[in-house]
Amino acid sequence: SAVISQKPSRDICQRGTSLTIQCQVDSQVTMMFWYRQQPGQSLTLIATANQGSEATYESGFVIDKFPISRPNLTFSTLTVSNMSPEDSSIYLCSVRIGGATDTQYFGPGTRLTVL
Amino acid sequence: AQSVTQLDSQVPVFEEAPVELRCNYSSSVSVYLFWYVQYPNQGLQLLLKYLSGSTLVKGINGFEAEFNKSQTSFHLRKPSVHISDTAEYFCAVSGGGGGFKTIFGAGTRLFVKA
Repeated sequence: SAVISQKPSRDICQRGTSLTIQCQVDSQVTMMFWYRQQPGQSLTLIATANQGSEATYESGFVIDKFPISRPNLTFSTLTVSNMSPEDSSIYLCSVRIGGATDTQYFGPGTRLTVL
Repeated sequence: AQSVTQLDSQVPVFEEAPVELRCNYSSSVSVYLFWYVQYPNQGLQLLLKYLSGSTLVKGINGFEAEFNKSQTSFHLRKPSVHISDTAEYFCAVSGGGGGFKTIFGAGTRLFVKA
């Protein structure tokens, strides 16, 4: 299993600013994922971040808006840049230990409100 | 491309009644199926998963799900629900053409009434 922590747990930000969300895992993992959960909706994958390579972004998400760092096997950051109210969401970090058959573990999420 | 459809956005049910949350998926190849639960203001927790073998999968908190390949369904069931089961439930699929990515359904809000 994996225990994941995220910082901050919540934040209220002004339009046009940026916020960096940190994700820390208690074990070394190759695959990390960042999801967005907009109010009352399901999870949408933003990008896959594997250590030692560039993050892979899903359709509709770009690196300039959501830059990701993955400096080692236990840590990642997601930055939400030049925020607008439409970016108000819960952002979730997730890891998978093993292949496609293995369980994904999720962090508690970062609740972001943009005014 | 893979997709997951949860047929009910909300399911109200009385305490101690049985419940079924419906999930259909589409994929041209074999996939792995999951149900996750999200309690209010918390992250996601795995309820159960189907990888292969027996089509009836038992999970935590008395939940079970049945994989039906011909109907491409993976419905979640519980014979008797509790107030504490009130939460959002997500069906998800990974593997196959999607590789390591997990695709989530829109979610079903289970509301258990006293």
